[in-house]
Order: sequence, then structure tokens, then C-alpha cells
Amino acid sequence: SQQGEEDPQALSIQEGENATMNCSYKTSINNLQWYRQNSGRGLVHLILIRSNEREKHSGRLRVTLDTSKKSSSLLITASRAADTASYFCATGGSNSGNTPLVFGKGTRLSVIA
Amino acid sequence: NAGVTQTPKFQVLKTGQSMTLQCAQDMNHNSMYWYRQDPGMGLRLIYYSASEGTTDKGEVPNGYNVSRLNKREFSLRLESAAPSQTSVYFCASSEARGISGYTFGSGTRLTVV
Repeated sequence: SQQGEEDPQALSIQEGENATMNCSYKTSINNLQWYRQNSGRGLVHLILIRSNEREKHSGRLRVTLDTSKKSSSLLITASRAADTASYFCATGGSNSGNTPLVFGKGTRLSVIA
Repeated sequence: NAGVTQTPKFQVLKTGQSMTLQCAQDMNHNSMYWYRQDPGMGLRLIYYSASEGTTDKGEVPNGYNVSRLNKREFSLRLESAAPSQTSVYFCASSEARGISGYTFGSGTRLTVV
């Protein structure tokens, strides 16, 4: 069963705008990760945020984590057409860190040039 | 290039036929995984291998078997294919099960008719 649920399921924005995707999960986690999948390709790891971290940045990506609300958000700033992809959150580890990642169903992002 | 290699990329099987999906990684990762991806379902874990010599069931193991041949290779076998196993199969690897990012292969698109 899916642990993470992304919201919205689909998002369409203009190039240059910011894109925000949310992820909610149900049980305690060791970390939360975000992945990107271009059409017909495998998933690519974007960023990992640990349960004791609240915010993390990587280039144009900003991830927040609120463990009290069991939710995370991924912000892509100044989006480009090349950001068009599906984005998945994945929760891992439990407290001992020994359970495989469980993926959500993803958000399909379309960036229109 | 370092990464995860999956073969074949495409396969069509008749109901009842068997086949093995191959996966190899050259990053010296300890853990390897097999996921399936179906439309609207996200990724679901079939089997994983936390380390060489061990394998464990995931969320949807029925109809599949796995072999961790050595540290590099992790194969997935369908003994008697069914139409319900039509899916895209992804192999992934990581340093540790739930506390590090995963590297994914490019996938095998399997159709069972």
C-alpha cells in the first residue's frame, strides 16, 4: 500500500512560474525523498530530507518537511520546459532505517513554454 | 557509465510462458530492489535484497521469484506469466535500504498476452 500521497495529481504551469507539489504520509519515517521520472524513463533521485530536518535546498529545488503534520512539499522555482515530468515522494526507513522506500503515485507536472 | 542496467528493455510473453528479467549495478551497492509500475498505481515493491545472500518479499510478491546472484546482480523471474503481470518493471539499488537515495534502471516494459 502507498505510504505517500502526492497532491495535486497533475499540475500545469507556464515557464518561469514556480511549481509546488505536496506529499502526505501516514507512519513515522526516517527520511523522505523526492524523485523525478521523465516519460518512458527510470526514476532519478532529487533530494533526501531526514526526519530531523525541516528544509533543504538543491539548486532550484526546495523541500520542506513537517513531521507533526506528516507532510512534505517540493518547490521548483523558475520552472523550465525541461522540468516537465512526474514527481514522486518516497518515505523510507522507519526509525531503524531498515525498510525499503515506499513510493506515492506521483504528480504529473507540465511546464508550458 | 556507472549505474543500473536492466535487460531486456521490451518483452512480449504469452500467458503461461516464463522469463527472467536481469539487473546489474556497478556502484558496489549493498541493497537491490524490484518494483513494478502500473498506471495510476505508482511504484510497488515486489522483492528486495538487503545484502548479498538475502532476499525478502515486498508488497506484491505473488507470481515472482528472485535471485541475488552476487553483489552486482539481482534477477526477477516470472515462472508462469499472467496478463495481470503486464507492467513496467524497475530495478534499483542503494547503499542502504531506506536511508539513502536509490539509483534506478531504465525499466523493462513487459506485455503478457
